Amino acid sequence: DTAVSQTPKYLVTQMGNDKSIKCEQNLGHDTMYWYKQDSKKFLKIMFSYNNKELIINETVPNRFSPKSPDKAHLNLHINSLELGDSAVYFCASYRASDGYTFGSGTRLTVV
Amino acid sequence: AQSVTQPDIHITVSEGASLELRCNYSYGATPYLFWYVQSPGQGLQLLLKYFSGDTLVQGIKGFEAEFKRSQSSFNLRKPSVHWSDAAEYFCAVGLNAGGTSYGKLTFGQGTILTVHP
Repeated sequence: DTAVSQTPKYLVTQMGNDKSIKCEQNLGHDTMYWYKQDSKKFLKIMFSYNNKELIINETVPNRFSPKSPDKAHLNLHINSLELGDSAVYFCASYRASDGYTFGSGTRLTVV
Repeated sequence: AQSVTQPDIHITVSEGASLELRCNYSYGATPYLFWYVQSPGQGLQLLLKYFSGDTLVQGIKGFEAEFKRSQSSFNLRKPSVHWSDAAEYFCAVGLNAGGTSYGKLTFGQGTILTVHP
């Protein structure tokens, strides 16, 4: 039973399209995140939500819009996709006693 | 702002040899420290974490790490490397912002480990 699951695992799309990535955690954690891993494998936080409220927004273009319908879900919608958006996007959840748990990633390729 | 440095981009060891991966952090207080491993095409798996207490922490797969406050370091070690340990390793600093649970993780650049038979 996967703790943090992301869908889809792979996403190939054309420039200008709008796409969404979904994330669900069954750990009962209050806090969820989106991280971006670029082509050089550098991981950087994008957003953090705590109990459905946006806590951290790290200067991400407003084409990226996270949505948390409940504390177990954090989705990422991306408008007008650009070539530079190609990366692996990781969802994560957190509780102090468990630390951070990451999903397996969504590899987004914009062509 | 906090930062994490992994000085070694790529390390090559022979199977059975000992391993030490370096991690230095910059932060004004004692942070939460983590080591993650990422195999090619895979997600991030937590190896171990340090929150407080004993500065030598044991993790999964035979890994351990030692928190040294005076050196701002959290180096990862393994006494005998196996071929399956070949992967990329990330050190990370997490902050418990204001006592809440939503501090973000700041990652180092990663160290790629190659294991020769």
